[in-house]
Amino acid sequence: DAGVIQSPRHEVTEMGQEVTLRCKPISGHNSLFWYRQTMMRGLELLIYFNNNVPIDDSGMPEDRFSAKMPNASFSTLKIQPSEPRDSAVYFCASSLAMGARISGYTFGSGTRLTVV
Amino acid sequence: KNEVEQSPQNLTAQEGEFITINCSYSVGISALHWLQQHPGGGIVSLFMLSSGKKKHGRLIATINIQEKHSSLHITASHPRDSAVYICAVFRAAGNKLTFGGGTRVLVKP
Repeated sequence: DAGVIQSPRHEVTEMGQEVTLRCKPISGHNSLFWYRQTMMRGLELLIYFNNNVPIDDSGMPEDRFSAKMPNASFSTLKIQPSEPRDSAVYFCASSLAMGARISGYTFGSGTRLTVV
Repeated sequence: KNEVEQSPQNLTAQEGEFITINCSYSVGISALHWLQQHPGGGIVSLFMLSSGKKKHGRLIATINIQEKHSSLHITASHPRDSAVYICAVFRAAGNKLTFGGGTRVLVKP
């Protein structure tokens, strides 16, 4: 398996523009997570899906952020409109959760977003 | 107080030295995760454990559920071990990770 695939690797955009980050989880995994990492706040969970259904979006900063998982092999995180404070590295991760048992937790390589 | 605390925050060692990183948590967990992140790099899962001890190469992770404490040991450290090591816990209910602040390790040749 190629692992968790994120695109793009780097994104530079102007304030006010829409940004879409993409993630392809590992085939067979049923949980998908979006994280944000900044120097100030470290790693933060934004949202996670189980079987394509959003379970916990309490970490989504505000309405400008939205995430979708239309099927088991694809998810997007969208920021509209983007602001300079959204600059961070965004990681996607996936795992297989069977009851309380979690296995194969794998992170993607991340998308480095810079909003100027 | 953070739910997951790591110590030390920074650590410098000479090549060959034994390194220990500690992680304490204050919530009920189902499992604990040790992660490694090289500068500018992605995040790699090292261990996921819920009891006892795991070993992979020169890395050893232990956990004491009663004391709510885990340690990550690096034996015969090497400059390529220089990275940030992050402890994260799965809450007893749910699938989400809560992260420690990370330990920045520098191994000098």
